[in-house]
Parts: sequence; C-alpha cells; structure tokens
Amino acid sequence: KAGVTQTPRYLIKTRGQQVTLSCSPISGHRSVSWYQQTPGQGLQFLFEYFSETQRNKGNFPGRFSGRQFSNSRSEMNVSTLELGDSALYLCASSLLSPKVNEQFFGPGTRLTVL
Amino acid sequence: TQLLEQSPQFLSIQEGENLTVYCNSSSVFSSLQWYRQEPGEGPVLLVTVVTGGEVKKLKRLTFQFGDARKDSSLHITAAQPGDTGLYLCAGFNFGNEKLTFGTGTRLTIIP
Repeated sequence: KAGVTQTPRYLIKTRGQQVTLSCSPISGHRSVSWYQQTPGQGLQFLFEYFSETQRNKGNFPGRFSGRQFSNSRSEMNVSTLELGDSALYLCASSLLSPKVNEQFFGPGTRLTVL
Repeated sequence: TQLLEQSPQFLSIQEGENLTVYCNSSSVFSSLQWYRQEPGEGPVLLVTVVTGGEVKKLKRLTFQFGDARKDSSLHITAAQPGDTGLYLCAGFNFGNEKLTFGTGTRLTIIP
C-alpha cells in the first residue's frame, strides 16, 4: 500500500506571496492532518480534515487554511507569507480508530520564505 | 491546554549503551504513541500504548505507559547508530479527539 505523498518536497517563496501544498493520504484513510515543524517550536498541529470537513484546528492565524476533497486528498494554503512561516510542513493520514489516532506521515514539504 | 514534556531534550551516547527517554504530562491520555523521525523524513509510528501500566517491546526498544496514563518512557538497550533520530511522544485524548505531540528528544548514537 502506497504511503502518504506530499508535493512539492521543497519550495522557496518570498514574503507576501502565497503557497499551496498538496497531500495524498494512504488509500482508505479519510482523516488528514497538517502540522508545522520548526526547530524552535517543535511539531505543531495546524488542522485536521475528515470527509471534507474540518474537525479540529490548532492555534494558527487565518492566513493558514486547508481543504479536503471527496477523494480524501488535501491541500493547505498559506497566504501573505512571513519569514516565520519557514518550516517543514507535514501531512499525516489516519484511520481514526477509537481511543487512538495513529498518524502516518508523509515526507513533508520544506518551505523557505525569503 | 495539554502539554507533553520530553526529557532529555538532547542525548548523545556511545554505541552499546542503554538509555531511557521520558514523556510527562499533568493530563490523562486515552492512548500514547511514540514516533521516530530521521532527517529529511516525516515521523514514523513505533508503537501505541493504551492501557495504564502497559509495556510493549519492539526488539531493543521497551515502551511503558504510566499507571495513571499521564506519562510514558522509552528504554533502548544496547543502542545502535541506526537508533539515531528525533523521538516524539504523542498523547491522544478521546474526549476532545485531540492528539498532542511532545517536545521531542534528539538522540545521537556515536559509533
């Protein structure tokens, strides 16, 4: 079974631009979560989607948004990029079993904002 | 807000030594997971513990969930260079369906 894929793997943008990242979950997984990972803040939760609906949201400004399509693929968008948005953005899919929420991560998209 | 503190933050030891990494919280979790992340890759799930006091073994790695389901430990016996990586614990709260990741332990095994 193919793992979680993310595109692109690397991205360089300048301040003020916007960016869209894409994630394809493991086949059969309907939950997709997005995380931001930085050396200073660690792994921080952005949002989670299930069946095209946002289930949970982390403490990030409205510049960060996402969506999920009917085939469970997901995209996240960051508008008006800031230098502090430079990070590894990870997508994870899950089966959402009761009592556990095991995450299967993709390789991430490394975003650099200049 | 649920917080998971991991200690130590950094650990560098010689190949063949034993080590223990801790994951602590003041909150109770329904389950707890451990992940390992290598450079340039996403975290990979190692184990999930569900019951208080539960112990799971994965080759040289032993995971324990605290009796009160507020903490966990990871013990590695005879560490190998392949154990090098960032170890993350993550607690899941079934009530609010939130998964909280720990602060991470960066482990380096020196050959």
